[in-house]
Amino acid sequence: DTGVSQNPRHKITKRGQNVTFRCDPISEHNRLYWYRQTLGQGPEFLTYFQNEAQLEKSRLLSDRFSAERPKGSFSTLEIQRTEQGDSAMYLCASSSIAEAFFGQGTRLTVV
Amino acid sequence: QKEVEQNSGPLSVPEGAIASLNCTYSDRVSQSFFWYRQYSGKSPELIMSIYSNGDKEDGRFTAQLNKASQYVSLLIRDSQPSDSATYLCAGKNRDDKIIFGKGTRLHILP
Repeated sequence: DTGVSQNPRHKITKRGQNVTFRCDPISEHNRLYWYRQTLGQGPEFLTYFQNEAQLEKSRLLSDRFSAERPKGSFSTLEIQRTEQGDSAMYLCASSSIAEAFFGQGTRLTVV
Repeated sequence: QKEVEQNSGPLSVPEGAIASLNCTYSDRVSQSFFWYRQYSGKSPELIMSIYSNGDKEDGRFTAQLNKASQYVSLLIRDSQPSDSATYLCAGKNRDDKIIFGKGTRLHILP
C-alpha cells in the first residue's frame, strides 16, 4: 500500500493524558498537512511541513499541540494534557506539487 | 469573508439528475482548487482538481473555475445513490497551504 498511513486508527484516552499520532506520507511527497475535523465541519488546518521544516502552525492551536517531521519522512502530532474538546478526527495528508491525499485518519475520544 | 465558503446543505437531488455544488473563495486562496468527497466516518477522497479558468471533465464529474467571480463548482451528472456524501471544496494559497470549506451534504433520492 503506497497511500498515506495513519496510526492508530482509534484512540480513547482519559482527560489529562498525552497522546501521539503518527502519519506516514506517500513516498517522496515533500508536503505534509495535519487537520482536525469534528462532526459537520470541514477539516480545520492545524499545521504543515515542507520536508522537515514546519511552515505554519494554526493560531487556533494551543501550546498543548506539537508536531514534528524528523528527516522529512513520517510525522507525529502530540497532544499534551488532553481535554474533552480535543475529541475529533485527526487527518493527515501529503502532496508533491499539486493534489493532496489523505490517510484514513485517527479518531480521538477523550473521556 | 471566509477563505473558502460552501453552503452546508443538505442538497437533495433525484437519482439520475444533475447535482450542482458551489464554492466561493477569497483573495487569500488563489492557486489550485480541489473537490473531495467524504462519506460519513471516512476520510476525504480527492475526486477533482482544477487550476485554470474553464471546465474540466472526468467521467460524470465536471469542475468549473471562474477566477473573475471567485467561484468553483462541481457538477455530477446522472447522480447515483452512491454519490450521497459530503463534498468538500478546498483551495491552495501561494504558500501551498490547503484550506477547506465546511462541506456540502448531498442526498441523492432514489
